[in-house]
Amino acid sequence: ETVLTQSPTTTAASPGEKVTITCHASSSVSYMHWYQQKSGASPKLWIYDTSKLASGVPNRFSGSGSGTSYSLIISSIETEDAATYYCQQKSSDPPKLTFGSGTKLEIK
Amino acid sequence: EVQLVESGGGLVQPGRSLKLSCAASGFTFSNYYMAWVRQAPKKGLEWVATISTSGSRTYYPDSVKGRFTISRDNAKSSLYLQMNSLKSEDTATYYCARHGYYDGYYHDVMDAWGQGASVTVSS
Repeated sequence: ETVLTQSPTTTAASPGEKVTITCHASSSVSYMHWYQQKSGASPKLWIYDTSKLASGVPNRFSGSGSGTSYSLIISSIETEDAATYYCQQKSSDPPKLTFGSGTKLEIK
Repeated sequence: EVQLVESGGGLVQPGRSLKLSCAASGFTFSNYYMAWVRQAPKKGLEWVATISTSGSRTYYPDSVKGRFTISRDNAKSSLYLQMNSLKSEDTATYYCARHGYYDGYYHDVMDAWGQGASVTVSS
């Protein structure tokens, strides 16, 4: 079973700053998905297959990584980016979907 | 527009049962794998179940295996989650989600989510 560890747990940034959220997998994986969840709302797919932006996601967001380390990067934070971000992967044996514990992004 | 609308949540006593429903619209329901994901109060996301397009294959984590059953009715574009022997730790918001299909393959990514149904297990 692949365990996903996100860091930091919480981070705060000012508008215009760059933010990087990391997801570390306990064993090598070939891709990572990311979801955004705003307070009181349902999760939304944000980045899939490591680096593909979901429909409507601003291009200040990007994703990268390989092996056991993946990142969600926001090049220039905006106030609307305040949310919790989760990474997600799938294990094959046994089949299981796993989420990271989440990173809460606050805007200063 | 893709829409997933959950219903059936509520307050239930430990050991009892509850069945959630999810009404899908805006896409060809029978063409997609579907899933349930839950979120305990102020906690993270936990995958609960996935079902194949025909319903012939289902997948669960150990935490709910043997207690929860996912099913679907493609004629009604509806997804279900039968929850038996409920425990206090099953208290959560339960989301219906659609698995992605692209490049000719089904994927584990979940590209559409409902608004959630709240389940509270308490005496």
